Amino acid sequence: QVQLVQSGAEVKKPGASVKVSCKASGYTFSVYYIHWVRQAPGQGLEWMGWIYPSSGDTKYAETFRGRVTMTRDTSISTAYVELNRLRSEDTAVYYCARNVVPDLAAAGLDFWGQGALVTVSS
Amino acid sequence: QSALTQPASVSGSPGQSITISCTGTSRDVGSYNYVSWYQQHPGKAPKLMISDVSNRPSGVSNRFSGSKSGNTASLTISGLQAEDEADYYCSSYTSNTTPWVFGGGTKLTVL
Repeated sequence: QVQLVQSGAEVKKPGASVKVSCKASGYTFSVYYIHWVRQAPGQGLEWMGWIYPSSGDTKYAETFRGRVTMTRDTSISTAYVELNRLRSEDTAVYYCARNVVPDLAAAGLDFWGQGALVTVSS
Repeated sequence: QSALTQPASVSGSPGQSITISCTGTSRDVGSYNYVSWYQQHPGKAPKLMISDVSNRPSGVSNRFSGSKSGNTASLTISGLQAEDEADYYCSSYTSNTTPWVFGGGTKLTVL
């Protein structure tokens, strides 16, 4: 069965970086886009970007451009998101999610990771 | 401010039908059929309820349906049940520099 398992909670200081992982299983990792979405406490969903594991091609939301990097390691079916220059407003649950259709960037996100809470506090 | 506009809250009684709207522009909802809807219960990850405007994934109840007219997409839930109480989000592909956006979310209360 399809599963996305994310790394655990992190606590970081302002100005630091955080890297969250998302290990996929149960399907061909390389052909499904992986999206990253975050949710601040009590707030809505915010799209951060996507990565196509086969090529490594990425697309980021304008809000995060210059501060975010998405990568993947196809040998272990794992995607990563790294966010730099953290500030308190980056405190959120970070989710990875798989696009529902292979080889297509964005039609809908059918499988989600369990989320990773990142807390930014001095 | 979200690119897609949803009502903050809707409510209905068990057995009734409700509709949640998602209003965008000609750069997103109006031009692409890549509109999807998600259900989120507190403390849980979102769940895909509708993709491609009206496609219901396997395992999703047929009480959930999606549609689109112009720049507005809609999610209809018929035969409301207590377990439908949750937050609902729409999303769409867009031709803007940020190619994927979510609505602000709608809290559904089952009275």
